[in-house]
Amino acid sequence: GDSVTQMEGPVTLSEEAFLTINCTYTATGYPSLFWYVQYPGEGLQLLLKATKADDKGSNKGFEATYRKETTSFHLEKGSVQVSDSAVYFCALTFGGGGADGLTFGKGTHLIIQP
Amino acid sequence: GAGVSQSPRYKVTKRGQDVALRCDPISGHVSLYWYRQALGQGPEFLTYFNYEAQQDKSGLPNDRFSAERPEGSISTLTIQRTEQRDSAMYRCASSLERTDYTFGSGTRLTVV
Repeated sequence: GDSVTQMEGPVTLSEEAFLTINCTYTATGYPSLFWYVQYPGEGLQLLLKATKADDKGSNKGFEATYRKETTSFHLEKGSVQVSDSAVYFCALTFGGGGADGLTFGKGTHLIIQP
Repeated sequence: GAGVSQSPRYKVTKRGQDVALRCDPISGHVSLYWYRQALGQGPEFLTYFNYEAQQDKSGLPNDRFSAERPEGSISTLTIQRTEQRDSAMYRCASSLERTDYTFGSGTRLTVV
């Protein structure tokens, strides 16, 4: 079945450091890809998404590019802030037909130190 | 409403009791999804509805779990004869387009 694998956490960085959180997927076909973020004490929020190969999703300084060749959707940010501390989830869906709903990775806990 | 509303936020129940978790989606959203999230894990798909029709219940772990959405709006996830392993965060999401999901804040269920 479909699956998402993301790097284990916690990931601890200093403020203004460069961030990469790796995400790869296994799926038959070409799903839509997402990054969700869960801040402490809050629910899941959509951070960014990409619906087809080579698309780049971006939001709040975060970016991720849908790489069909490597089945990856790595999350990056050039300069992290303490307020970026949260749990980040990579996810996929085929939406539109057949199996629906999101398949999530296990989450990566990001800790940014001042 | 403005967002997806779930109630209660927290539920503590004794083993063997039945519980009902409620989800009120964004007005006009056709699709509604239920997920379960164990501590330290990502959410796992349980079931989903288009309007009032349950489209896929393959993620429901066993026949103690059921869900309904009788009028195509509010949905209820019911767990009968709860067990300690049912303790988790239960999340609901709704969508208009298949790639635009909005999640509620979740219900934290603890079975003691």
